[in-house]
Amino acid sequence: AQSVAQPEDQVNVAEGNPLTVKCTYSVSGNPYLFWYVQYPNRGLQFLLKYITGDNLVKGSYGFEAEFNKSQTSFHLKKPSALVSDSALYFCAVRDINNNDMRFGAGTRLTVKP
Amino acid sequence: ETGVTQTPRHLVMGMTNKKSLKCEQHLGHNAMYWYKQSAKKPLELMFVYSLEERVENNSVPSRFSPECPNSSHLFLHLHTLQPEDSALYLCASSHIPGQRVNEQFFGPGTRLTVL
Repeated sequence: AQSVAQPEDQVNVAEGNPLTVKCTYSVSGNPYLFWYVQYPNRGLQFLLKYITGDNLVKGSYGFEAEFNKSQTSFHLKKPSALVSDSALYFCAVRDINNNDMRFGAGTRLTVKP
Repeated sequence: ETGVTQTPRHLVMGMTNKKSLKCEQHLGHNAMYWYKQSAKKPLELMFVYSLEERVENNSVPSRFSPECPNSSHLFLHLHTLQPEDSALYLCASSHIPGQRVNEQFFGPGTRLTVL
C-alpha cells in the first residue's frame, strides 16, 4: 500500500525567506501526489497536484512543488513566505489504480514577521 | 466555501449516547469519504463510498456506522463511543477514478469530544 512521510513536525521561517516543506512517498506504481493546507478550525484545502508531465507543479497562493522520481520526493516550496502561510500542511499520495489517498502526519509551518 | 458542509461543527457526547454526523457536498461528486484526524497522527481513512456503495472500511470499530443515502449526503452514526474516539472527523468528496484525476475536497470537520 502507498504511504507518505513528512519528516518534519515543525518548520519555522522568517517572512520573506524561501520555505520548503518536505515529503517523501512510497507507492508500487505511478503516483498521484497532492499537497493540502489546513488553517485552524478548517478542513483541508487543496493546493496542488502532480499527475504527469512537468516535474515542477505550480499551485495556489504562490506555492509550487517538485516531483523527484529518483528520490521519491515531492517537496513543497515557496520563494517568499508570508505570515499568512502559517498553517498545517499535508502531503498525500494516491496510486493511479485506486481511490485510496494516504496522507502524511502533517507539518506545521510557522512564518514569523 | 469548498462546497462540502458538515454538521454539527462541534459535538460533546457521553459514552452511552447515540449521535450522527452529517456531510453534504454540492460539487456533483460521486465518491465520499470519512476521515479521522487526531493530533500528530496521519489522517486515518475510515470509510469510502463510491456511487453510494461502500468500497472501503479500514478496520473501523462497529461503534462507527456510515450511511450514504445518495451521492450528495454522507452520515456517520455514533454509539457507545470511547474517550479515545475524540478527534476531528472530516468528510471529503471527489470524482471516482477513471473520470478524472480527482483531488478530494474537504468539509470543515466536526470536532467530537467523548466524555
